Amino acid sequence: DIQMTQSPSTLSTSVGDRVSITCRASQTISSWLAWYQQKPGKAPKLLIYKASSLESGVPSRFSGSGSGTEFTLTISSLQPDDFATYYCQHYDNYPYTFGQGTKLEIK
Amino acid sequence: EVQLEESGGGLVKPGGALRLSCAASGFIFGDYTMTWVRQAPGKGLEWVSSISSSSGYIYYAGSVKGRFTISRDNTMNSLYLQMNSLRAEDTAVYYCARDSGQSGYADYFDYWGQGTLVTVSS
Repeated sequence: DIQMTQSPSTLSTSVGDRVSITCRASQTISSWLAWYQQKPGKAPKLLIYKASSLESGVPSRFSGSGSGTEFTLTISSLQPDDFATYYCQHYDNYPYTFGQGTKLEIK
Repeated sequence: EVQLEESGGGLVKPGGALRLSCAASGFIFGDYTMTWVRQAPGKGLEWVSSISSSSGYIYYAGSVKGRFTISRDNTMNSLYLQMNSLRAEDTAVYYCARDSGQSGYADYFDYWGQGTLVTVSS
C-alpha cells in the first residue's frame, strides 16, 4: 500500500500568512493527488485534484503543486475561514490512502 | 444540487452487525462509482470501500475485508454498507462519497455526505 505522509502535523499561523503543507508518497503516484479541507463536525471538502487543479468554487488563494512523490498545498494569504484540518489523498490505485492531516491553528 | 445523506448508524455491541445507507440525489447515481470513508473520533480519514457504477468492481480496505460488504441499488439511488463482526476499532463517523468520474480507474471524491456515527461498545 502507498503511504502518505504530511508535514507538519500542526501549524500555528496568522491571518494573512502564506502557508505551505507538504505531502509525500511512499512511491510515485504521478499527479494522482487530491487535497481536502475539513472543519470540526463537518465532512471533508475537495480543494485540489490532480495535484494542481483547483476545484470549482474554491478560492484562488489555494494552489497545489508537485508530482511523483512530493506535493505541496499552498494558501497564499490565510483567511479566518481557512483555519481547519487539511488532508492529502492519493488515487493512483486501490487502496486509497490519506495523509494523517495538518491542522492550521491561530497563532 | 448533489446531495448524499447517510443513515443507519448507532450503538452496537462488539461482534454485532449494522447496515448503513446513503441516499443520493441531484445526479445520475448509476453513472458514478461510490465510496465509503470513515473517521475514528479525533483521527484522520480512512478509505473503507468503493463500488463501481454497475457493481462490477468492488474494493475493500484490508481492515474490513471479509467483514464489510458494499452494495448499491441504482433503481433506488442508494448505497449500502453491511458491517458484520464489528470491533471497537470500527467506531467512527462513516461518510459516503461520490467519485468524480474524471479519472478513470481510480478517483478522488467530489461530494461527501455529512456522515453517520457508528459506535461499537459493550
